[in-house]
Amino acid sequence: GQQVMQIPQYQHVQEGEDFTTYCNSSTTLSNIQWYKQRPGGHPVFLIQLVKSGEVKKQKRLTFQFGEAKKNSSLHITATQTTDVGTYFCAGPGSGTYKYIFGTGTRLKVLA
Amino acid sequence: DAGVIQSPRHEVTEMGQEVTLRCKPISGHDYLFWYRQTMMRGLELLIYFNNNVPIDDSGMPEDRFSAKMPNASFSTLKIQPSEPRDSAVYFCASSSSYRGQGTQYFGPGTRLLVL
Repeated sequence: GQQVMQIPQYQHVQEGEDFTTYCNSSTTLSNIQWYKQRPGGHPVFLIQLVKSGEVKKQKRLTFQFGEAKKNSSLHITATQTTDVGTYFCAGPGSGTYKYIFGTGTRLKVLA
Repeated sequence: DAGVIQSPRHEVTEMGQEVTLRCKPISGHDYLFWYRQTMMRGLELLIYFNNNVPIDDSGMPEDRFSAKMPNASFSTLKIQPSEPRDSAVYFCASSSSYRGQGTQYFGPGTRLLVL
């Protein structure tokens, strides 16, 4: 079945350092979503990318969708302690509104 | 809007007992999803509904799990009988096919511990 993998699984960075997580799908995706889950919290929608090669920015966060629409990345510039959490990508599975979540990358920011 | 509401927030029960988790989606949303999250398996989709009708239950682990959506504002996930391996966080999420392009809004989750 369809799989969505993320690397790395864990990342510890010093505050102020940059961070990147990568998402890879076994199938071509029509779109990809990113979510953030704070420790003890629930996933919260961040953004959706639709077009091949699309790049979107949200303040210090940069999201990119690969040209082949099988991979995506999230880059955080100058991390802050508020960035702590697990970042998930999610791609549509069979059925328009069914999304397969990636394995997640847990980010820890050391002050 | 109050967001997705789940109850209870925490549940501790003994093996063999019946557990019922409840969810109230965001008003006007026509899709409802049940997920299970564990350290080992990550975030898994169990079942989802569209306009109260189950569309895909292929993620439901076994016959001990059942889900219903009797109306647009309420859904339940039932485990009977419960087992220790069912311990996890269960999330309900809803989305609208009319706006948001499939953006899912998650509830706070129910943390289930089966002893």
